[in-house]
Amino acid sequence: DAKTTQPTSMDCAEGRAANLPCNHSTISGNEYVYWYRQIHSQGPQYIIHGLKNNETNEMASLIITEDRKSSTLILPHATLRDTAVYYCIVRPQGAQKLVFGQGTRLTINP
Amino acid sequence: EAGVAQSPRYKIIEKRQSVAFWCNPISGHATLYWYQQILGQGPKLLIQFQNNGVVDDSQLPKDRFSAERLKGVDSTLKIQPAKLEDSAVYLCASSKVGWRETQYFGPGTRLLVL
Repeated sequence: DAKTTQPTSMDCAEGRAANLPCNHSTISGNEYVYWYRQIHSQGPQYIIHGLKNNETNEMASLIITEDRKSSTLILPHATLRDTAVYYCIVRPQGAQKLVFGQGTRLTINP
Repeated sequence: EAGVAQSPRYKIIEKRQSVAFWCNPISGHATLYWYQQILGQGPKLLIQFQNNGVVDDSQLPKDRFSAERLKGVDSTLKIQPAKLEDSAVYLCASSKVGWRETQYFGPGTRLLVL
């Protein structure tokens, strides 16, 4: 499975956009980029995923570079409830299991 | 829609004792996963079931861990005997069949082995 690199921690002001980077320079053509988050004392929660194109849903936007070697998760208007550990996962097509790294601890400050 | 249920939420035991965790997946979800999350790390898959059959147990320490999913619904994960390094959160997740299906996680069971 392709390895991902994320910053250990980030801070963002409430109401601002939170941009979380992920490097996956060894990603191969059939591997998807998934994002999950884990709020304290809860299980991980699915946010969004993509292959090549940018994706948007009610929670976030995912921007994948043209060479697919990196991506950015965008929370457009961060709230205090978005404080969590965010995991970027590269998942081969057909693979059911999720391989988590250490993620980015995002703190939203009032 | 009810989420994935797990019990107990917390458990403290002494090393060499045994412990069991229970998971009830979302109704209609044929695939069930158990993950182990050590403090400061991301979750690691221990075992995956589809209905009552094991799909992947390559990361399960089979000398002390066992899991079953009788009747293809609820599942139990057992540790016998427990070691200090088994202290972790044990997460259960479920999904519909198919790799594209979203995995939904329960709140986890926090185990402390003294």
